[in-house]
Amino acid sequence: QVQLVQTGAEVKRPGASVRVSCKVSEHILSELSINWVRQAPGKGLEWMGGFGPEEGKKVLAQKFQGRVIMTEDPSSDTAHMDLSGLRSEDTAVYFCASYRSKYGKGIKVFFFDTWGQGTLVTVSS
Amino acid sequence: DIQLTQSPSSLSAFVGDRVTITCRASQTISRYLNWYRQKSGTAPELLIYAASSSQSGVPLRFSGSGSGTEFTLTISSLQPEDFATYYCQQSYSTGLTFGGGTKVEIK
Repeated sequence: QVQLVQTGAEVKRPGASVRVSCKVSEHILSELSINWVRQAPGKGLEWMGGFGPEEGKKVLAQKFQGRVIMTEDPSSDTAHMDLSGLRSEDTAVYFCASYRSKYGKGIKVFFFDTWGQGTLVTVSS
Repeated sequence: DIQLTQSPSSLSAFVGDRVTITCRASQTISRYLNWYRQKSGTAPELLIYAASSSQSGVPLRFSGSGSGTEFTLTISSLQPEDFATYYCQQSYSTGLTFGGGTKVEIK
């Protein structure tokens, strides 16, 4: 059973950068497609970007292009998400999630099947 | 980006009630639609993929239907652990999107 364990909560000043890490256990990182989703307090889920499950191509949501860098360290089976230029609106819980494909009802579909526990990032002066 | 609109945004129901949540897509997405349940303070969990296929281990009271632009999630008999927020999510386009969520509360 794949497990994703994230680093702890962070408090940052506006303009700073933050790194959230996601360690894979009971599996190999290279066999997973890790994506990142965030949730502002009391709000819904927002996909940020990640690796596609087929070709392994990295895709970023347009609003995060230029501010987010997603990397992976196979030696430690850990994925990282770096967000720069923090502002108060970036205060949220950040989740890593495994994005995989499967055949369902005759088509190959994609979904998030395993999630990390979430990391609260608070941006405050 | 493909927009997903869920309705209602919230509802109140009793344990044992049948509940239906709707998700409408701004353009056709075939059956590339998934449903998640998120209990307070926890990560989402996958319930349904490909609009109507149940994830392994998900109780039979959860079912999904639809294709194209309109989808539904039905809980046949609401249980205490089902009081949570439900999200639909499309994987038709490279830019993934979620619906705004439906909060199911105890009546």
